[in-house]
Amino acid sequence: GAGVSQSPSNKVTEKGKDVELRCDPISGHTALYWYRQSLGQGLEFLIYFQGNSAPDKSGLPSDRFSAERTGGSVSTLTIQRTQQEDSAVYLCASSPQLRTEAFFGQGTRLTVV
Amino acid sequence: SQQGEEDPQALSIQEGENATMNCSYKTSINNLQWYRQNSGRGLVHLILIRSNEREKHSGRLRVTLDTSKKSSSLLITASRAADTASYFCATANDYKLSFGAGTTVTVRA
Repeated sequence: GAGVSQSPSNKVTEKGKDVELRCDPISGHTALYWYRQSLGQGLEFLIYFQGNSAPDKSGLPSDRFSAERTGGSVSTLTIQRTQQEDSAVYLCASSPQLRTEAFFGQGTRLTVV
Repeated sequence: SQQGEEDPQALSIQEGENATMNCSYKTSINNLQWYRQNSGRGLVHLILIRSNEREKHSGRLRVTLDTSKKSSSLLITASRAADTASYFCATANDYKLSFGAGTTVTVRA
């Protein structure tokens, strides 16, 4: 079956522009995570959605970052006024329920020039 | 902040040898999971061990968990070139999956 799909695969943007990253989770998965990974580093938690509950936004690094999940399915991560330090791979994952195995997409590599 | 910390940061072994990496964490957990990442992209789930389990096997993988020491280990036996990757532990408490910085494993032919 289809896995977690992220688009675009790569994105190069100019400093100061807004970007929108998309994640299509596995159908039926109620939990959805966004992580950020800088080159050679671990995964930095950004935000978590679970069903219809309010998302946990505690990992968002600044108010330039926001995310939404429409209809409990597709999620978009928006970064406004991008900065060079936003350059990283943004990974999305979904899981069927709390605390179970997470299925990752291939990520979006964002480069801010 | 990251919950888990892997040790060592990097490991280089000969094909056929065993690879062992460790993970330490700070708070109580519901379960601990290990993931593999190739080429800096998506992670693949390897194995999950619950807080009331002490050891688990899956193929060439063996995971141990010591909740009193807040640590886990991942052993890959009879390593292959295809095992070259970064390995991450992730702790699950409440709902959040928190990842460590990973161990980079290189298997030499």
